[in-house]
Amino acid sequence: GAVVSQHPSWVICKSGTSVKIECRSLDFQATTMFWYRQFPKQSLMLMATSNEGSKATYEQGVEKDKFLINHASLTLSTLTVTSAHPEDSSFYICSAKNVRGRYEQYFGPGTRLTVT
Amino acid sequence: GQNIDQPTEMTATEGAIVQINCTYQTSGFNGLFWYQQHAGEAPTFLSYNVLDGLEEKGRFSSFLSRSKGYSYLLLKELQMKDSASYLCAVRALSSGGSYIPTFGRGTSLIVHP
Repeated sequence: GAVVSQHPSWVICKSGTSVKIECRSLDFQATTMFWYRQFPKQSLMLMATSNEGSKATYEQGVEKDKFLINHASLTLSTLTVTSAHPEDSSFYICSAKNVRGRYEQYFGPGTRLTVT
Repeated sequence: GQNIDQPTEMTATEGAIVQINCTYQTSGFNGLFWYQQHAGEAPTFLSYNVLDGLEEKGRFSSFLSRSKGYSYLLLKELQMKDSASYLCAVRALSSGGSYIPTFGRGTSLIVHP
C-alpha cells in the first residue's frame, strides 16, 4: 500500500516550452501533496504544498506563475513548468500524505527534467 | 526559519555500526524523520520520532532529544546496499498553519568492504 507514481519519469524539452508532471496516489487518497525539487548532491527543496480543491501554497522564492500546480482530485496533482529554461533542469519529486494518516509522506519515484 | 545540520559524507566498513547525527533549530517542532535515498531515486521512509528516546526498527534505530535539538540514525551490521544518502527532515508548524517537513542536505554514506 501507499504507492505514489509520477509521470513521466524523465523528460527532455526545449527551452521555452512547457512540461507537465503528474503525481498520483495509487491506493490511497491524498488531501495534501508536496512538490520538491532536488539539484545534484543537494537536499530536497520544498516548492509548494498542494491541497485538493484549493490553491497551492508556494514557498518563498518559487514563482507560482512559472510552476503551476493543480490538485484536482484526491489522487492527482500536476506540476506544470511553464516556459522552461535550462536552469529549471532538475529532479522533481512529489509526495503525498494519506488523508487517513497522521504524519507520514509517501514519495513518488521522481521526474528527471532536462531543458536544452 | 529552520536550520538543519548533518555531516556531508561518512564512510564505514561492511558489518560495522555507523551513527549519523542531525542537529536542528526550529519553532513549532512536531517530529523528525529519517529517509534513505539512493542516487537517482526518491527517498524512502526509515523512521519518525516525535518523543524523546530511541526507536528501534531492525538494523536501524533513531534517537531524538527535543531539548537538545538533536537526533541520530544508527545503522548496525552495515551492508553494501546501505550506501546511500540519509536525509534528516524536521516537521514543524508553518506560517500557513500546516505541518511542513524541511529536509537537511543529507549525509552520503559510503560502505566499503
